[in-house]
Amino acid sequence: AQSVTQLGSHVSVSEGALVLLRCNYSSSVPPYLFWYVQYPNQGLQLLLKYTSAATLVKGINGFEAEFKKSETSFHLTKPSAHMSDAAEYFCAVSDRGNNDMRFGAGTRLTVKP
Amino acid sequence: DAGVIQSPRHEVTEMGQEVTLRCKPISGHDYLFWYRQTMMRGLELLIYFNNNVPIDDSGMPEDRFSAKMPNASFSTLKIQPSEPRDSAVYFCASSLFSRSDEQYFGPGTRLTVT
Repeated sequence: AQSVTQLGSHVSVSEGALVLLRCNYSSSVPPYLFWYVQYPNQGLQLLLKYTSAATLVKGINGFEAEFKKSETSFHLTKPSAHMSDAAEYFCAVSDRGNNDMRFGAGTRLTVKP
Repeated sequence: DAGVIQSPRHEVTEMGQEVTLRCKPISGHDYLFWYRQTMMRGLELLIYFNNNVPIDDSGMPEDRFSAKMPNASFSTLKIQPSEPRDSAVYFCASSLFSRSDEQYFGPGTRLTVT
């Protein structure tokens, strides 16, 4: 079965700094990969997804992620953090064949003024 | 579309009482999921349905938990009797074609059992 690991349960950056949230996955078949964001007191919402087209995926709010098969990674980046980016971010992997999806434990992003 | 709708948004109840959480998925979505989120255990899948049929309920913690989906536009998650350790945020989500597709989450129900 596939699995996903998010490195760092908490990440803190200054406003305007680069955001880098790490996600590594394992899957026996080409996966679908997702990043979701959860703002306080809200449900998860999709930021972006990879489904085997372009390896660099652009999402909402200026976020992007790059699928690197050799590193089994799908890290999320944003060039310049904004205060409104403070939230919890979840990486997820799905195995198309098994009709299964697994979520990571989440990374809480704090943005300092 | 209005998105996934959950009610109530907040529920406070006493231990031993029955609790019913409700969900309306996005119209046309074939899959419906119930999740529980706590600080200690993170996001846990409790059960999911395909075309109103329960497919996998292995995440349901105990027999006190039950879920139904009587039609394509409505599902309930019931806890009877409730216990303080059931306190959590419960999310309903739906997806269009498969469990592997992106899931659309509702706003959640925050349950507090005293």
